[in-house]
Amino acid sequence: GIQVEQSPPDLILQEGANSTLRCNFSDSVNNLQWFHQNPWGQLINLFYIPSGTKQNGRLSATTVATERYSLLYISSSQTTDSGVYFCAPSGSNYQLIWGAGTKLIIKP
Amino acid sequence: GAGVSQSPRYKVAKRGQDVALRCDPISGHVSLFWYQQALGQGPEFLTYFQNEAQLDKSGLPSDRFFAERPEGSVSTLKIQRTQQEDSAVYLCASSLDGKYGYTFGSGTRLTVV
Repeated sequence: GIQVEQSPPDLILQEGANSTLRCNFSDSVNNLQWFHQNPWGQLINLFYIPSGTKQNGRLSATTVATERYSLLYISSSQTTDSGVYFCAPSGSNYQLIWGAGTKLIIKP
Repeated sequence: GAGVSQSPRYKVAKRGQDVALRCDPISGHVSLFWYQQALGQGPEFLTYFQNEAQLDKSGLPSDRFFAERPEGSVSTLKIQRTQQEDSAVYLCASSLDGKYGYTFGSGTRLTVV
């Protein structure tokens, strides 16, 4: 099955900093989603991005499917960005394969 | 509704007790998923419904776990004779067609004592 590796595992930044989170996957995928899980446990879908680049406010994501990786960029970090960011690709079926996540802490 | 609703938000069960967790997906969403998330880990797939049909239950950890979605909308995850290792957050997600963006509920935190 698809293996997912996310890096870094932990990231501590000062408010206002920029960051790049990486997701490597071991096989071709039909679908890839990025999620943010806030400190209260709520999972929010950030991007559906099997390929290409998308932007939503201070967040953007790029997936290079041929090279089997995806990047999530967070600019001008705010304390509300804290939480765990998960990359979740899926192959030919609907099942999401979850990485271990990147735990992000933004300090005021 | 506007989002995926799960109830109860928290459940404490004595070991051996049966529990039922409810998920009310977004209206019109065909696909419904149940996930189990242990502390500090990513969600683990449990089961998948397309309308009322349970197409995949390969992630259910034992025959004590049972899920249903009889009318293709609300789903219930039932755990019989709960054990301590069942303690986790149970997440429900729905999707318009299973391919695009998923919307997750807030989860039910189950603690078995």
